[in-house]
Formats: sequence, structure tokens, C-alpha cells
Amino acid sequence: NAGVMQNPRHLVRRRGQEARLRCSPMKGHSHVYWYRQLPEEGLKFMVYLQKENIIDESGMPKERFSAEFPKEGPSILRIQQVVRGDSAAYFCASSPRGLAGGQYFGPGTRLTVT
Amino acid sequence: DQQVKQNSPSLSVQEGRISILNCDYTNSMFDYFLWYKKYPAEGPTFLISISSIKDKNEDGRFTVFLNKSAKHLSLHIVPSQPGDSAVYFCAAQTTSGTYKYIFGTGTRLKVLA
Repeated sequence: NAGVMQNPRHLVRRRGQEARLRCSPMKGHSHVYWYRQLPEEGLKFMVYLQKENIIDESGMPKERFSAEFPKEGPSILRIQQVVRGDSAAYFCASSPRGLAGGQYFGPGTRLTVT
Repeated sequence: DQQVKQNSPSLSVQEGRISILNCDYTNSMFDYFLWYKKYPAEGPTFLISISSIKDKNEDGRFTVFLNKSAKHLSLHIVPSQPGDSAVYFCAAQTTSGTYKYIFGTGTRLKVLA
């Protein structure tokens, strides 16, 4: 059973470029969560998506960040016009449905903005 | 506003002894709590969880205690092993909401051989 897959594992972008982070949930999972971990901090919730729907985006910065989880294909976290402060590890988690516990994390994408 | 706090950024314990990691929370709406372990360059892996209707849950060497009145939980690892060296995060959920996790800032555990 493949776990949660994230790619790329490492991404380097110059200031002003766009970053696209992909997350393929575990087989049978239709709920995806994105978290961000800044250096020396815990993971912070960003957005919760079901197939084709954004359920909770209360943790997403208001500008430059967007997320989608299309009917087919991986979930995408998109960061436009990246700035140095976007440098962080971005983790995706999936679950079969919204439930207590039950989130399985991917290995993360480490974004470095130069 | 840090709703879940882990006040000890690091902890060192001798192999074979007990490791106790602590976590405090402020939101009384949280009703499910989890501990995750994280190695460098990897995603968090689930360790153990507890519902707010319980005060203790045990799984092998790992036991989680919940004190709702104090809004405090702790993870006990007995006996500690060098392979337990990692960063430990506690997380809290409100199961009537969207099930997102609110994480603490983590405690780095080092088990000395």
C-alpha cells in the first residue's frame, strides 16, 4: 500500500517565481489537509479539501496561496510570487473521511526561496 | 495565539528510563488528542491518541494521560530506547469541526545509550 506521496521533495525558487507542490493521497482517501512547518516551529494548518471542494481554508494566507483537489489527479498547493518567508516544509495529510485521528502524512516538500 | 503548547523544546533521557513529554492546551472544545513522532526530513508518524472521554490510553511502551480539568496531556515512554530519539508533537482536534489538527511546537527527545 503506497502511502501519501508528495513531490517534489525539494524545491528551490527565486523570489517572484511560482511554486507548485503536489500531493497524492493514500488510495481510497478523499480528504486532504495541507500543513506548513516554518523553521523551529510546529506544523500549522493551512487548508482542508475534499474532492473538488475546499472545506476549510482558514489557515491559508489571503494572497498568493491557493489549493485545489480535482476529481482526477493530485492535490496542488500553489504559491505565486514566492518570497523568502515562504521557505518552509509543506506537509500533506490524507484521510478516508473526516474523523477523529486518521490523518496520514506524506514526507513533505521543502521549499527554499532564494 | 498558541492553543497547544509544548513548553520543553528538548529533553534528554538515559536509555531504559522513562521519558515524559508534556503538552498543554487552552481550547476546551478540543476533544481528541494525538502524539506524532517526526524524524528529520520525514513526515510525522502517528504514535498514540486519546479521546476526551478517557484519561489514559496505552499501547506497548507508550502511554498517554489526559487531565481535562488542567487541560494537560502527557506522553510516557517506558523504557526509552535510542531509536525513540526524534521530535514529538502533540496535536488536538475538535471533532465537531473540520478535523484539522492544531499542533504544538514539538519537543526534541534524545535518548542516550
